[in-house]
Amino acid sequence: DSGVTQTPKHLITATGQRVTLRCSPRSGDLSVYWYQQSLDQGLQFLIQYYNGEERAKGNILERFSAQQFPDLHSELNLSSLELGDSALYFCASSVGADNTQYFGPGTRLTVL
Amino acid sequence: EDQVTQSPEALRLQEGESSSLNCSYTVSGLRGLFWYRQDPGKGPEFLFTLYSAGEEKEKERLKATLTKKESFLHITAPKPEDSATYLCAVQNTGNQFYFGTGTSLTVIP
Repeated sequence: DSGVTQTPKHLITATGQRVTLRCSPRSGDLSVYWYQQSLDQGLQFLIQYYNGEERAKGNILERFSAQQFPDLHSELNLSSLELGDSALYFCASSVGADNTQYFGPGTRLTVL
Repeated sequence: EDQVTQSPEALRLQEGESSSLNCSYTVSGLRGLFWYRQDPGKGPEFLFTLYSAGEEKEKERLKATLTKKESFLHITAPKPEDSATYLCAVQNTGNQFYFGTGTSLTVIP
């Protein structure tokens, strides 16, 4: 158990809908990272937040957005969902901006 | 464009048969190269960070090395519990992360 929690574990929804994934970092960690893992593309870095501020951005679609709240938990919002958004979404956290990342168990999103 | 390529895609070893996994990378500016282990249905588990060419790190039966173009993960006398997918990733100077698609390792008793 890494200490990073993600909810929900599974999410099934329809195309065109909007969902919110939640991540609670390890106690004391200031950075949160979001990744998407699909069978054909592997693990893709989406975005990093450090102490509430966006620090780095990867290949995150405009339909996706994230934020980190004052209590350091983070939410990833996915809107106008498409079939291709079906994937495992991982959150990771680290103590600082560039330290070892600890991954959560993931949220499996299925878009029908 | 920054990218990471891992080979082989899959590797089957007999218990005790040592081997190496390769990670070739192209990056605009390297801040760090990372190795992770991922078991089915779980999040990646951190193994090593390497920062500069010539650096080596060891942990139990695993040893990671780094050159200017590639990294190797050497597995010495593997055991069945080492079976997993091993992922390589790079962080560039823009703080973006790029992962390879992994090497699926199976160690047969």
